[in-house]
Amino acid sequence: VQLQESGPGLVKPSETLSLTCNVSGDSIRTYYWSWIRQPAGKTLDWLGRIYNSGSTNYNSALKSRVTMSVDTSKNQLSLKLSSVTAADTAVYYCAKLDCSRTSCYLSIWGQGTLVTVSS
Amino acid sequence: QSVLTQPPSVSAAPGQKVTISCSGSSSDIGDHYVSWYQQFPGTAPKLLIYDNNKRPSGIPDRFSGSKSGTSATLGITGLQTGDEADYYCGTWDTSLSEVFGTGTKVTVL
Repeated sequence: VQLQESGPGLVKPSETLSLTCNVSGDSIRTYYWSWIRQPAGKTLDWLGRIYNSGSTNYNSALKSRVTMSVDTSKNQLSLKLSSVTAADTAVYYCAKLDCSRTSCYLSIWGQGTLVTVSS
Repeated sequence: QSVLTQPPSVSAAPGQKVTISCSGSSSDIGDHYVSWYQQFPGTAPKLLIYDNNKRPSGIPDRFSGSKSGTSATLGITGLQTGDEADYYCGTWDTSLSEVFGTGTKVTVL
């Protein structure tokens, strides 16, 4: 499985950030998926996950602004983050979630895409 | 959403061993399994350890993981210059959110 994020590299404050993650090598329906971001020089920040049922878990700090979805016809994930500010500037990653009998972990990551929020 | 605590940096000479600690609480590490990720500058994180101590295919046995109570540890033996990277621990918390550590930079002297 390979993942590739894409979307605008520059978003204006108060607008909506929209990214897609193209999944190749397997059906998107088979697995669970997560979005993570990383501001420059900082640690990883989990945004949420979407299960193959379509149900989601979101970071409670972003819950009112984030929406994740899956387009099975295109084998793509989608991330939308509304009302962005400069604090949302980061590299955004999509990742595949694998689950053993005991836990789930981020097994494969996309290369990431830098999104800058600026007017 | 909590953040797990790691030392900012660790260092050792080639061939030596380093350990990286990851401290959490009863609501995250204390109740869930831990993963570790390796990240080189400008690249995406890569899974190094899952289920506290399991290595994905292709990860050398120089890398090991353990967990005790509310803390976890990543060990790297036979340190190589190619191991210079940032390392992050990760787990879930009681709200099923993924939480990550503050990150540790490994330097080979």
